[in-house]
Amino acid sequence: DIQMTQSPSAMSASIGDRVTITCRASQGISNYLAWFQQKPGKVPKRLIYASSSLQSGVPSRFSGSGSGTEFTLTISSVQPEDSATYYCLQHNNYPFTFGQGTRLEIK
Amino acid sequence: EVQLVESGGGLVQPGGSLRLSCVASGFTFSTYSMNWVRQAPGKGLEWVSYISSVSTTIFYADSVKGRFTISRDNAKDSLYLQMNSLRAEDTAVYYCARAYGSFNWFDSWGQGTLVTVSS
Repeated sequence: DIQMTQSPSAMSASIGDRVTITCRASQGISNYLAWFQQKPGKVPKRLIYASSSLQSGVPSRFSGSGSGTEFTLTISSVQPEDSATYYCLQHNNYPFTFGQGTRLEIK
Repeated sequence: EVQLVESGGGLVQPGGSLRLSCVASGFTFSTYSMNWVRQAPGKGLEWVSYISSVSTTIFYADSVKGRFTISRDNAKDSLYLQMNSLRAEDTAVYYCARAYGSFNWFDSWGQGTLVTVSS
């Protein structure tokens, strides 16, 4: 099974900060990686697909990069509404696996 | 508008069974693969099962293999998850999510249905 190691598990940022979240795959997954945002009590929302493609309607401050085993989600200038938990997901190989999540707190 | 609506959750005793449903609308259900994903209270997301558009390919997480069965009825635009031999650790919100092509995966999710396994 492919393990997705996401870091950090939690972080705090000030408004306007640049934030980077990393996911490392235990083996190569090409670019079959998506990023999701989940706010408390809400349904996960896809932000990025195919490693770097921005979901329609998602603010351009969100971006994704990477291929193979290392991937990043970047928020260029964090806003108060970005307070949430972020997950990566690999769907290159069954069983599909999520990272353990990164809780982002806005100071 | 794309909609996925789950139902069938509830309280069940350990060892019991439950059948979840997910009804789709606003898109051509029969052309999409579908997944079930769950989230235990206060925990992260866990992929549970996948079924291809015409049911020819099915996958399960090891944690549910042999106990859960995924199925679909394209005539009814519906996805199902039959859950047997339920355990306390199956307690979670269960979501259905669609997948299409190589990369259009998990773009739409249902609102979730809560399954609680407890005596």
